[in-house]
Amino acid sequence: GAVVSQHPSRVICKSGTSVKIECRSLDFQATTMFWYRQFPKKSLMLMATSNEGSKATYEQGVEKDKFLINHASLTLSTLTVTSAHPEDSSFYICSASRIFRYGYTFGSGTRLTVV
Amino acid sequence: GQQLNQSPQSMFIQEGEDVSMNCTSSSIFNTWLWYKQDPGEGPVLLIALYKAGELTSNGRLTAQFGITRKDSFLNISASIPSDVGIYFCAGLRSSSNTGKLIFGQGTTLQVKP
Repeated sequence: GAVVSQHPSRVICKSGTSVKIECRSLDFQATTMFWYRQFPKKSLMLMATSNEGSKATYEQGVEKDKFLINHASLTLSTLTVTSAHPEDSSFYICSASRIFRYGYTFGSGTRLTVV
Repeated sequence: GQQLNQSPQSMFIQEGEDVSMNCTSSSIFNTWLWYKQDPGEGPVLLIALYKAGELTSNGRLTAQFGITRKDSFLNISASIPSDVGIYFCAGLRSSSNTGKLIFGQGTTLQVKP
């Protein structure tokens, strides 16, 4: 149990376009979902925390207008990178926490390349 | 953002050797988690620790939640080539499951067959 599906696994987009990344909890309801960004050989950097039905809470320094997060249901959260630029190229990972249970399950990540 | 102090940063060992890595913090955590990340993948949970002093095993892996609640270690016994990857510790201050995880910098493990 506790499977988190993240899609797409890889995406290449042109500079100026927007990209949507989906994060789904397949066999459980997620109280909270988290979005991370990871640079090569670095640790995970938390971007934002989202709770179902409410606005996401962004970490300091993360542009909320550039990284739009929607958590429409207890099983789905989306991250949209708007007007992407090459410096947005990175590995994005989501994680979900379960209602009434401890444990944070991570998705398999999305490699975004902006050209 | 804040990170845990994880060491060593990298290890290159011979197959069959034991491995030890640890994380320390200046503040208290209520939960310690150890993850492994393979290249191009998300982290996978190895061991979760919920009580100070707790010692938990998962196959060849053993982890302990420090008595002071400010540190944790992970041991891997009799390493094999598939142990290669990046290992992260993560701490949670909140007693709920909606708090933010604080991550260590990671330990890159390479195993020579």
